[in-house]
Amino acid sequence: AQKVTQAQTEISVVEKEDVTLDCVYETRDTTYYLFWYKQPPSGELVFLIRRNSFDEQNEISGRYSWNFQKSTSSFNFTITASQVVDSAVYFCALSGIVSGGYNKLIFGAGTRLAVHP
Amino acid sequence: DTGVSQNPRHKITKRGQNVTFRCDPISEHNRLYWYRQTLGQGPEFLTYFQNEAQLEKSRLLSDRFSAERPKGSFSTLEIQRTEQGDSAMYLCASSPLDRLTYEQYFGPGTRLTVT
Repeated sequence: AQKVTQAQTEISVVEKEDVTLDCVYETRDTTYYLFWYKQPPSGELVFLIRRNSFDEQNEISGRYSWNFQKSTSSFNFTITASQVVDSAVYFCALSGIVSGGYNKLIFGAGTRLAVHP
Repeated sequence: DTGVSQNPRHKITKRGQNVTFRCDPISEHNRLYWYRQTLGQGPEFLTYFQNEAQLEKSRLLSDRFSAERPKGSFSTLEIQRTEQGDSAMYLCASSPLDRLTYEQYFGPGTRLTVT
């Protein structure tokens, strides 16, 4: 069975602090995909990143960076110099590929990040 | 290019009533997904359409739930004889048929409250 665990329910930081959101996953698939989504108070899930299981290169996009480690089944997300606009719920998600080529996302419970001025 | 749209954004209904939600995916996206999100949890997969064909239904989708995508464009999700446990955010997502694109693009959701 596939499972995603986000152990941090809520994190509170002061603006300009760095913060890391943890994500641990379980899957028996050899090929799978990992995602991070942001859900601001408006409710719409915003896609942030996709990572393939065969590509362990870390990625940086502006203040965002992602650390994928297959050995520990983790896909952590770091925000550098956090800003108030980063306040949201962040979801980590996992998918395999179903025959037919589509994928259904398995989400973690989310981490609520509050960035205070 | 507009994003995924969902209507209505909010729905309050009394237990036992039927409700219907609509999702308009990004144009030319062949894949369409429905998810349900309860308070404090991540979204859970409900069903998947490829064009007009419903290819998978979750066990979460009881007999009271039905989804359609008659012309392979917009989709509707109907809940009959609503129960208080149906109160949740119903999210729709779409993605292109391109096998290289596996991220899904979500709409703003329909928040259902059953009183």
